[in-house]
Parts: sequence; structure tokens; C-alpha cells
Amino acid sequence: AQKITQTQPGMFVQEKEAVTLDCTYDTSDQSYGLFWYKQPSSGEMIFLIYQGSYDEQNATEGRYSLNFQKARKSANLVISASQLGDSAMYFCAMRELNYGGSQGNLIFGKGTKLSVKP
Amino acid sequence: DAGITQSPRHKVTETGTPVTLRCHQTENHRYMYWYRQDPGHGLRLIHYSYGVKDTDKGEVSDGYSVSRSKTEDFLLTLESATSSQTSVYFCAIRTTGGGYGYTFGSGTRLTVV
Repeated sequence: AQKITQTQPGMFVQEKEAVTLDCTYDTSDQSYGLFWYKQPSSGEMIFLIYQGSYDEQNATEGRYSLNFQKARKSANLVISASQLGDSAMYFCAMRELNYGGSQGNLIFGKGTKLSVKP
Repeated sequence: DAGITQSPRHKVTETGTPVTLRCHQTENHRYMYWYRQDPGHGLRLIHYSYGVKDTDKGEVSDGYSVSRSKTEDFLLTLESATSSQTSVYFCAIRTTGGGYGYTFGSGTRLTVV
């Protein structure tokens, strides 16, 4: 069964510094996708970045990058130059890309609450 | 961007009453999902749909039912609400494009008293 583990319930980072949010996953599938979402205090789910299991390069989107280590089954999110607006909950999620019984549903971790200090 | 709206945004209801939450999309995306979010649990899948009248259970489906009679609407029903169903409910649709993207609704905050 799929599982996403985020071991950091909460983290603090100084403004303008980089921060890494940890995510490990478990799947028996060879084809899968990994996602990171941001949830600010307003509650909406904001897509940040995606990594496919066959992508050779780590995904990057602006200040966000995904440190994908397939052998270790980890997909850590790196935020460079943190800003006060980065304070939010961050969720790692996975979807198996075969079209079997799960219909490719997203499975989420429990989240990490990031607080950026001025 | 795919349009997806949830209604109501907030609801307070009494234990034992039926409640229906609505998710509406403005495009013809095939896959729709209902999640609940609780502190310390992240988002957990309740039910999903892969077409009109095609639905299936997720991880936490007990006490919930769904219906999809039209492509654009996916309804979540709590037949007899309990306090344990107090939560924030998110609807999502699977859109096309890079990363097999998903779009989430704004959420419904349900309180069962």
C-alpha cells in the first residue's frame, strides 16, 4: 500500500534562508508521481511542484525545488530564500500512475507547518 | 484554470441530521474526489468518481455516500452526521496537463454539534 511520511510536524526558518521539508514515500509501483502542495492559513490547496518517477532531473519551479532520491524513496522540498508569505502547511502527496484499482488517487502525508521568522 | 466550486463553504449541523455537500466543476473532467482534512492526519480520501454513476470508496468512507448523476456535480452525503465527521472537506478534480494535475475546491468547513 502507498504511504507518505512527513516526519516534521513543524519547522522554523529565518527569512531569506533556505529550508528543506522532508518527505519519504512507500510504493511497490515503478511508475508514480510526487507532488507538493502549500496550504496557507486561508485554507486553499496550492500546487507547488511535481516530480515523475522516471524524470531524471530534479523538478524546479522558481524558488521551489524537489530533491528526488529514488533509491531512498525520498522527495524533499527545498524552498530557497524563504519569505514571510511562505509560512503555511506543506503537504507531500503521491499518485501511482498505473490505471489499476486505485484510479490514480492522491495520497497525502500529514503535513509540515512552516513558520518563517522575520 | 478549471473551475471548481464547493457549497456550502461553512455549515453547522446537529448530530443525527443528514447533510449533503456539493462539488461543481465547469469543465468535463472525468475524475472527481472528496477528501477530509483533520489536524494531524493530512487529507484523506473519502470517495472518488471516475465518471457519471461510477464511484468507489476511499480510505475513510464509512458514514459517507456519494452520487454523480451529471459530469459536473459530485455530491457527498453524510446520512446521519456524527461529531467525528466535524472536519474540512475538499473536493478535487483531476485535470490534464503536466503532472496529471489536480485542482482543489476552496473547502467546506462542517461542524457537527
